[in-house]
Amino acid sequence: QSALTQPRSVSGSPGQSVAISCTGTGSDVGGYNYVSWYQHHPGKAPKLMIYDVDKRPSGVPDRFSGSKSGNTASLTISGLQAEDEADYYCCSSAGGYTYVFGTGTKVTVL
Amino acid sequence: EVQVVESGGGLVQPGGSLRLSCAASGFTFSRCWMHWVRQAPGKGLVWVLSINPDGSRTIYADSVKGRFTISRDNAKNTLYLQMNSLRDEDTAVYYCAKDWVSGWSFDPWGQGTLVTVSS
Repeated sequence: QSALTQPRSVSGSPGQSVAISCTGTGSDVGGYNYVSWYQHHPGKAPKLMIYDVDKRPSGVPDRFSGSKSGNTASLTISGLQAEDEADYYCCSSAGGYTYVFGTGTKVTVL
Repeated sequence: EVQVVESGGGLVQPGGSLRLSCAASGFTFSRCWMHWVRQAPGKGLVWVLSINPDGSRTIYADSVKGRFTISRDNAKNTLYLQMNSLRDEDTAVYYCAKDWVSGWSFDPWGQGTLVTVSS
């Protein structure tokens, strides 16, 4: 199972919006509505930000949103804040109770 | 507070074995799928193994099949990862994660435990 493809890095100024893409295949992203997104500050525990493509857990700011079209999912951060600087990973069900993560994207707040 | 805490990492020689533990608290452990995810130095997250609530079903990534075993003790609220025939490429931080309430996602995660395979 190959990792889902994400851009290596994205950046934006405070208050701007950034979008992170996550491209897979019909056997993972395109085949299931089970795409999730994780925020990971190095040295800390990853944190669930989006589940089931576009749902936000309680406590996650509404400036984080998710979507999917075909084999590509996206995470958008609106109103970028300094504390959003982190690594972000998408993850998809890949059938048979298996999962595949994305390659990861470093978000930099300029 | 829902929490998972890993332990047991360390330095091991190639071909050696190690057992990781993950202590769970704040939720009904015996009702939840549990997972192990790893991150090699400078690399991304990789799903490794999952186990169903009663331990009767285990799912493995191809990279660890036949070498790693996931198990659980619901009486002790503890998840285990037995790693045998370790290779250099198994060097990573290993994270334990609880299945999200609606499934198909991971939350919360532990802080991770570092496994270094080196001679």
